Amino acid sequence: KAGVTQTPRYLIKTRGQQVTLSCSPISGHRSVSWYQQTPGQGLQFLFEYFSETQRNKGNFPGRFSGRQFSNSRSEMNVSTLELGDSALYLCASSPGQNTNYGYTFGSGTRLTVV
Amino acid sequence: EDKVVQSPLSLVVHEGDTVTLNCSYEVTNFRSLLWYKQEKKAPTFLFMLTSSGIEKKSGRLSSILDKKELFSILNITATQTGDSAVYLCAVGTNAGKSTFGDGTTLTVKP
Repeated sequence: KAGVTQTPRYLIKTRGQQVTLSCSPISGHRSVSWYQQTPGQGLQFLFEYFSETQRNKGNFPGRFSGRQFSNSRSEMNVSTLELGDSALYLCASSPGQNTNYGYTFGSGTRLTVV
Repeated sequence: EDKVVQSPLSLVVHEGDTVTLNCSYEVTNFRSLLWYKQEKKAPTFLFMLTSSGIEKKSGRLSSILDKKELFSILNITATQTGDSAVYLCAVGTNAGKSTFGDGTTLTVKP
């Protein structure tokens, strides 16, 4: 069974641009979470979606947004990119709407802002 | 604010050694504690713990949760070089949010 798929794998953008990252969860998984991982800050929770609804949001500025589609695929968008947004962005999916099932992570999108 | 603290931050051992990794937490409406192993890319799920005192075991890895003292440990016996990785602890709440610790970097030398 296919795992969590994130596209693109790598991305280079310049400051001020915007970017959209995509995540396709494991088939049947309805919960999708997004994380930002940097060497200095570790894994930081961005937001979580379940059945197209955002259930939780981390402490990130409004430039970070996301959505989930009816097929559970999710996108996250970062507008007005800053150098500090350079990070590995990880998506994780779970069957249910709480953490009782554990998450399966995708391989991530490595975003570099120059 | 929910908080998860892992210790030590890094650890270097030799093959065959036994290691214990620690995770303490302060969260509202605790639901579960999860351990992940992260090598070069995405974290891979190891254990999920929801009840105190019940050990979860998978091969040389085992973990236990103490909900009274708010911590968990991950034990790895007879370590191998393939165990070298960052071990992440995450705590989930009833609201569905997960908070990760900064991880413990384990290096196993031959």
